[in-house]
Parts: sequence; structure tokens; C-alpha cells
Amino acid sequence: EAGVAQSPRYKIIEKRQSVAFWCNPISGHATLYWYQQILGQGPKLLIQFQNNGVVDDSQLPKDRFSAERLKGVDSTLKIQPAKLEDSAVYLCASSDLLGGNTEAFFGQGTRLTVV
Amino acid sequence: AQKVTQAQTEISVVEKEDVTLDCVYETRDTTYYLFWYKQPPSGELVFLIRRNSFDEQNEISGRYSWNFQKSTSSFNFTITASQVVDSAVYFCALSEVGDYKLSFGAGTTVTVRA
Repeated sequence: EAGVAQSPRYKIIEKRQSVAFWCNPISGHATLYWYQQILGQGPKLLIQFQNNGVVDDSQLPKDRFSAERLKGVDSTLKIQPAKLEDSAVYLCASSDLLGGNTEAFFGQGTRLTVV
Repeated sequence: AQKVTQAQTEISVVEKEDVTLDCVYETRDTTYYLFWYKQPPSGELVFLIRRNSFDEQNEISGRYSWNFQKSTSSFNFTITASQVVDSAVYFCALSEVGDYKLSFGAGTTVTVRA
């Protein structure tokens, strides 16, 4: 079974530029999460989707971050404009909550450096 | 509000030593899940175990064991006879039943020296 795929693996941008990350969850997983992991900290949830609907985006800085999952499968997370403090690893995860499985499976993440 | 505390920032052991990682949590929910994840240098978070709040039985899986004590709100993780491949950052996490959003601790970096 293929895992959660994310791209790119690494990205370096200048502050005030925009950037987008892509995530392809495990096939059949209706629930998709984006987490932000700042160096030395645990991951923090940014947004949770169930199919193509948003379940929770209370921790998403909506003035600069946006995310979508238009067809209920792939998802993109965008930052515009980026700030220095956005430097982090962005992790995508998926789970089969509708199937009664609570474990979240994570991708390898995208490491963003804002200079 | 949920909170997970992993007081140990880093642990360094010699191969074959046992290592115990502490995890203390706070939640107002009576029903919840606890998790441990491993994050090797590659960066991917690897699921290790899930425990629900109704099940206080300790669990052993190979060299890994977990001790859940609801009375002290702790969910500790022990690696027996550690190996170099166990070197990673280990995260304890908590989720509510319903949305299953994970609240992570800050992680404990385990270094196993040959």
C-alpha cells in the first residue's frame, strides 16, 4: 500500500514570496490533515479535511495560509506571503476515520526555509 | 484544552540499555486516545501504538512496551535492549474521540550509541 506522498521535499523562498505544498493521501482515506512542525517542537495541526470539507481550521493563520481539497483526494497548502517564522516542516497525514481507524499516517513532509 | 508534556528533551544510552520515555497529559474529556509516534531522521512520523482511555492494560510489542496509568495521567514508553536503529525523536500525542485531531508533546530525542 502506498503511503502519503508529499512534494516538494524541500523549498527555500524569500520572505514575502508565495509557496505551495502538495499532498496525496493514502487511497481511500477520507480524512486529511496538515500539520506544521517548527524545529524542536511537536507537530501542530493547521487544518483537517473530511473528504473535501473543512472540519477544523481554527489554528490556520488565514491571513496568509490557505488550503484546499477540491475533489476530496489531493490537497494543497499555500502560504502567501511567507514570513520568516513560517520556516518549518509541513506534514500531511491521512486517516480512515469513516472506516473506524483512528491512526493517522504521515508523509515525509516538506521542509520550508524562509530567508 | 488538551496538553501533552514530555519532560525529557534528550536521552542518550549505550546499545542494549533500556530507555523509558515519559509522557504526561491533560484533558477534560473522559474518552480519549493516546499515541506514540517515532520520527527517524528521514522525517516521516511512524505510528507505534494507540491506546484508548478505557483500556489501562499495559502492552508489549517486541522490544517496546507501554505503561498507561490513568490515575497519574501518564503513558510511558520503554524500549528494552535498545539498538542504534532506535535513534529517533519520539512523540506522545493525545486526541479526542470525534475529530481525532492529534495534540503532540514536544518530543524526546533518543540517541543510542554503539
